[in-house]
Amino acid sequence: SAVISQKPSRDICQRGTSLTIQCQVDSQVTMMFWYRQQPGQSLTLIATANQGSEATYESGFVIDKFPISRPNLTFSTLTVSNMSPEDSSIYLCSVGGAWETQYFGPGTRLLVL
Amino acid sequence: SQKIEQNSEALNIQEGKTATLTCNYTNYSPAYLQWYRQDPGRGPVFLLLIRENEKEKRKERLKVTFDTTLKQSLFHITASQPADSATYLCALDPSGGSYIPTFGRGTSLIVHP
Repeated sequence: SAVISQKPSRDICQRGTSLTIQCQVDSQVTMMFWYRQQPGQSLTLIATANQGSEATYESGFVIDKFPISRPNLTFSTLTVSNMSPEDSSIYLCSVGGAWETQYFGPGTRLLVL
Repeated sequence: SQKIEQNSEALNIQEGKTATLTCNYTNYSPAYLQWYRQDPGRGPVFLLLIRENEKEKRKERLKVTFDTTLKQSLFHITASQPADSATYLCALDPSGGSYIPTFGRGTSLIVHP
């Protein structure tokens, strides 16, 4: 299994600003994933981040709103840009494990006012 | 449209009883189905995976069944304990062999002492 840490654990932001969330894994992994979990909703995949290439975004998510960096095999960032209250959510990074499992970080709880 | 349905109402049971959670899906033909546990303020933690050719899988006090005809999985916790209180998410393979599961909303389980 992988140990994943995220920073910050929570934040309160003003609308129109941006927040960058960091994700660190304790081992080298090819793919990292970013999810959003809105209150009462399921986990929704935002994008897959591969080292050395552009992230692959799921339908409904765009790079201008959620730019992602993947500078090496243990680290990734997700930026939530030009935030609005609708972006209030928990943001989670994960990596894939054996048997199609996902290992998740503790999440970043974001509140946009 | 594709749906993964888990009971949105919390399941309240008494300590020592068996908790049974349900996951129904429509318009999927998953090769596997998974169950995760999520505690407040934490990311989901993988519990069990069951494949389409398996009827049942057990791990300690946990048992999962998978009925591809009914398009349903049942998740059982025997001899439940207050420490089992959490939200339980089911996740399945969205496209017949994908390594990135699609998640349901989860069901909250509350075990009363």
